[in-house]
Amino acid sequence: ETGVTQTPRHLVMGMTNKKSLKCEQHLGHNAMYWYKQSAKKPLELMFVYSLEERVENNSVPSRFSPECPNSSHLFLHLHTLQPEDSALYLCASSQDSQTSGNTIYFGEGSWLTVV
Amino acid sequence: TQLLEQSPQFLSIQEGENLTVYCNSSSVFSSLQWYRQEPGEGPVLLVTVVTGGEVKKLKRLTFQFGDARKDSSLHITAAQPGDTGLYLCAGAVGAGSYQLTFGKGTKLSVIP
Repeated sequence: ETGVTQTPRHLVMGMTNKKSLKCEQHLGHNAMYWYKQSAKKPLELMFVYSLEERVENNSVPSRFSPECPNSSHLFLHLHTLQPEDSALYLCASSQDSQTSGNTIYFGEGSWLTVV
Repeated sequence: TQLLEQSPQFLSIQEGENLTVYCNSSSVFSSLQWYRQEPGEGPVLLVTVVTGGEVKKLKRLTFQFGDARKDSSLHITAAQPGDTGLYLCAGAVGAGSYQLTFGKGTKLSVIP
């Protein structure tokens, strides 16, 4: 139990579908993140939220839309994805986003396959 | 863009053997972290090294941060099947904990 839970663990969606990934952290942290992990590429930071405000958006296509309704929950809304978007999407949290060396706690990930 | 190169990409060894994996960059990092990711799981932090030349031990794992804070190594003594996984290094480049650059990882398989 890492304290960060993601649902669903596996998702298969068509290119015209709309779906959402959900993340919940039970650690009392103020910062939450979405990362993308693809085969043969380093972990890529997608979005950072600190106290429900987005502080970083690393040039992610608009077909990915994050939502952070409170400091414990983070969503990633998906629409009109491409097959190359198939990857493991990892949610993470940390005490805050500004202190270097803060431990980042990852969830188990949501495996996304776009067909 | 800071890049972290990890080597080897893949490593398959017999139980009981020793191994070292490397994490190299041309950039200087304020700190460096090592994570292990098991199949079907998210990465889990093993250690953070901060000072150039620092050595940290975690049971059979020994982590070293290079003197110039550009590289790091992870040495495992007497590897066990439970050590199997993807080992990721990540360098911190700025003030924010989110400003981590990850390597592609070393995939280790320890055969019983």
